Amino acid sequence: GEDVEQSLFLSVREGDSSVINCTYTDSSSTYLYWYKQEPGAGLQLLTYIFSNMDMKQDQRLTVLLNKKDKHLSLRIADTQTGDSAIYFCAEIGRGATNKLIFGTGTLLAVQP
Amino acid sequence: DAGITQSPRYKITETGRQVTLMCHQTWSHSYMFWYRQDLGHGLRLIYYSAAADITDKGEVPDGYVVSRSKTENFPLTLESATRSQTSVYFCASSDGGVAGKNIQYFGAGTRLSVL
Repeated sequence: GEDVEQSLFLSVREGDSSVINCTYTDSSSTYLYWYKQEPGAGLQLLTYIFSNMDMKQDQRLTVLLNKKDKHLSLRIADTQTGDSAIYFCAEIGRGATNKLIFGTGTLLAVQP
Repeated sequence: DAGITQSPRYKITETGRQVTLMCHQTWSHSYMFWYRQDLGHGLRLIYYSAAADITDKGEVPDGYVVSRSKTENFPLTLESATRSQTSVYFCASSDGGVAGKNIQYFGAGTRLSVL
């Protein structure tokens, strides 16, 4: 079935790099997404990557996609306390329904 | 205000009562979604809608009812609330995906407690 897996928790020190990992199931997914949820708020799109790309960089964010292993990662350089949040990866569900399948989310705690 | 809004933000109710959570978007997005967020489960899709008057079940639809008489509104009703429906509920909308991009935009959520 469709299942997106993430580790539940990551703790880093301010200024270090954070790497959040995700494995997905559908090799035909055209887009893969990273969403950020701050405390008490809804999810906001952070970045996305098209499946024909291996890497996408956007300021402090780097997304790496390994299609062979169905592995997606999000690297945050120079992590700040404001980056503390839950990060969800997501893939498009099967069929023409525009559904997204979300992972369980990774809580990133940034220590000052 | 432009965007996607949910109301109420917080709701406490009792088991057996009917509760309706509201969702309104101003973008005229064709797709709308309802999720619930529970610890250890991430986001689970309850119902979604591809257009007005078109709705379909998601992963966890039991105990919920939706309607979509207007493009901009997508209310979620708990017909007879149970404690297991205590959760945070998120509504989202999407334009269906320009070139398949399918970006979903989320409301701020409704925290529901069923006592």
